[in-house]
Amino acid sequence: QKEVEQNSGPLSVPEGAIASLNCTYSDRVSQSFFWYRQYSGKSPELIMSIYSNGDKEDGRFTAQLNKASQYVSLLIRDSQPSDSATYLCAVNGASGTYKYIFGTGTRLKVLA
Amino acid sequence: EAGVVQSPRYKIIEKKQPVAFWCNPISGHNTLYWYRQNLGQGPELLIRYENEEAVDDSQLPKDRFSAERLKGVDSTLKIQPAELGDSAVYLCASSFRQTSSYNEQFFGPGTRLTVL
Repeated sequence: QKEVEQNSGPLSVPEGAIASLNCTYSDRVSQSFFWYRQYSGKSPELIMSIYSNGDKEDGRFTAQLNKASQYVSLLIRDSQPSDSATYLCAVNGASGTYKYIFGTGTRLKVLA
Repeated sequence: EAGVVQSPRYKIIEKKQPVAFWCNPISGHNTLYWYRQNLGQGPELLIRYENEEAVDDSQLPKDRFSAERLKGVDSTLKIQPAELGDSAVYLCASSFRQTSSYNEQFFGPGTRLTVL
């Protein structure tokens, strides 16, 4: 089992719709969770961090964390073609370390 | 505030040649990371520094890779000799401090290495 799992996609959504990106992690003691956006040929850009169970909203983005289910998600409301990118989930604090472990990313395509 | 700076942005070399990458982290960030990212994969940690100390180099292929961060600020990652399989994007990232898991890390633009 991979430590951080994401569906590679592509996930295609129409413009204006809600895009839902999911991530599961294997180490129950993981403490912090991050979403990065990576455009083709560019480096990852941090868009959200979440540390506690529940929802965290920032503009059109909402991160959701459920530690009991070992699940973290990212919702993008009113999706725009400019949101088309790969979204990487990262987990920190597994096994008592300060190591960030990344998933392989989900490719999102927002169709105009 | 300036972000993480890396150079060069692109490098093409022949196999068995040496190559070096340079990184300057965000000012005030004590923790510096080197990652390697292959196409279609997430970044994989090579080495993590806390100030001058390499605190996690378990994934660094030490037979050919080396890194240093002599003054606790900028860092250099070297490969000697390079192999075809080393072709990847090498990313540098930094965070304020790593005394807890609640630290956000920020990436530089990366160096795309092609080994022919």
